[in-house]
Amino acid sequence: DVKVTQSSRYLVKRTGEKVFLECVQDMDHENMFWYRQDPGLGLRLIYFSYDVKMKEKGDIPEGYSVSREKKERFSLILESASTNQTSMYLCASSPRRGPPRFGNQPQHFGDGTRLSIL
Amino acid sequence: SQQGEEDPQALSIQEGENATMNCSYKTSINNLQWYRQNSGRGLVHLILIRSNEREKHSGRLRVTLDTSKKSSSLLITASRAADTASYFCATDPYSSASKIIFGSGTRLSIRP
Repeated sequence: DVKVTQSSRYLVKRTGEKVFLECVQDMDHENMFWYRQDPGLGLRLIYFSYDVKMKEKGDIPEGYSVSREKKERFSLILESASTNQTSMYLCASSPRRGPPRFGNQPQHFGDGTRLSIL
Repeated sequence: SQQGEEDPQALSIQEGENATMNCSYKTSINNLQWYRQNSGRGLVHLILIRSNEREKHSGRLRVTLDTSKKSSSLLITASRAADTASYFCATDPYSSASKIIFGSGTRLSIRP
């Protein structure tokens, strides 16, 4: 079974802090994703990566950056946390079959990090 | 803007009844997926249906896809308390190879 592990279930940080959210998957998946989930808004894609050291912006990249130095690990960085970044953050991975197209394979999700910025 | 919109937003039924959730989308797609999310947890993939398929089954789940109406439905038969969760559709639009787009979900509650 695929396991996607997010480093923290709950995290409380202060405004202006640099925040790191870590995600590790154990199935050698090429693709990895970071989403945020807010009530009534569904999941919104922040960044994704289809290979080591590759990253692409999603729908809401402002205020975030990512790092993928190893295939199994994808880190989300809040450069200077703000209260409007309080949210549930979900990491996911999927295998690549053929050309990079992310909708033809299931995504496997971690249990999420509920981040509060005070 | 949301590609997939689930309907209803919330649904409460008696244990043993069938639950039907619908998803409508705006642009042509290659595939559509359904996911479940238990409270406070991540999403779990249920079914992927391709645009050339009309119906797919997995255990007590039945998914239909009508590309002419740009809609899909998820039917859960003989519901159980453990089916209480939020259900999301996610579309893979022709126009974008780089992401799937999630709807805002249907909250399903099963009453004992």
